[in-house]
Amino acid sequence: EIVLTQSPGTLSLSPGEGATLSCKASQTISSRFLAWYQKKPGQAPRLLIYGASNRATGIPDRFSGSVSGTNFSLTISRLEPEDFAVYYCQYYDSSTTFAFGPGTEVEI
Amino acid sequence: QVQLQESGPGLVKPSETLALTCAVSGYSITYDYNWGWIRQPPGKGLEGIGTIHHSGNTYYNRSLSSRVSISLDTSKNQFSLKLNSVTAADTAVYYCARLDRYWGSPDFWGQGILVTVSS
Repeated sequence: EIVLTQSPGTLSLSPGEGATLSCKASQTISSRFLAWYQKKPGQAPRLLIYGASNRATGIPDRFSGSVSGTNFSLTISRLEPEDFAVYYCQYYDSSTTFAFGPGTEVEI
Repeated sequence: QVQLQESGPGLVKPSETLALTCAVSGYSITYDYNWGWIRQPPGKGLEGIGTIHHSGNTYYNRSLSSRVSISLDTSKNQFSLKLNSVTAADTAVYYCARLDRYWGSPDFWGQGILVTVSS
């Protein structure tokens, strides 16, 4: 079973700054099945990126995803006040793994 | 627009069975998608519980597989979760979701339902 780890655990930033969040898989995985979510208290997770680098419908272009080997990244180019939240990477391949990383909190 | 809505008891006693239903509207669950359950314990991260394909094939998270079952009710366009022998560690907000048939990622989610395990 694949395990996802995320770093850092917490990012303390100011509006207007950029953020790079990392997600590492315990073994080689298909980038097709790697997604990123934004989670705010009392709300369902919001899909940001699917297939490692594709923005979901309605997601601003300040959000972008990339991959290098088993390392995946979510970049927020300029933080808006509404971007302060917890971000999770997620992997599902329908046969071996349905997992989320532990999350990165982006705080003001 | 696909909409999902969880329903079920908000309080379950220890050792009993947690049973939730996810009603789907705007899309037929008989189409070629996976449907899944995810949970988030208070103050903790998200955990995938399992999925079911429209064909009936299921996948369960290894850590829960001995206690969980997911089923489809195509006549009501809904799917269900059962988790038996619950403990306080199963207290969480439970979400149902549709998983994209190609990319695999949950794209439409229910609003979530808090289930507390307590006597």
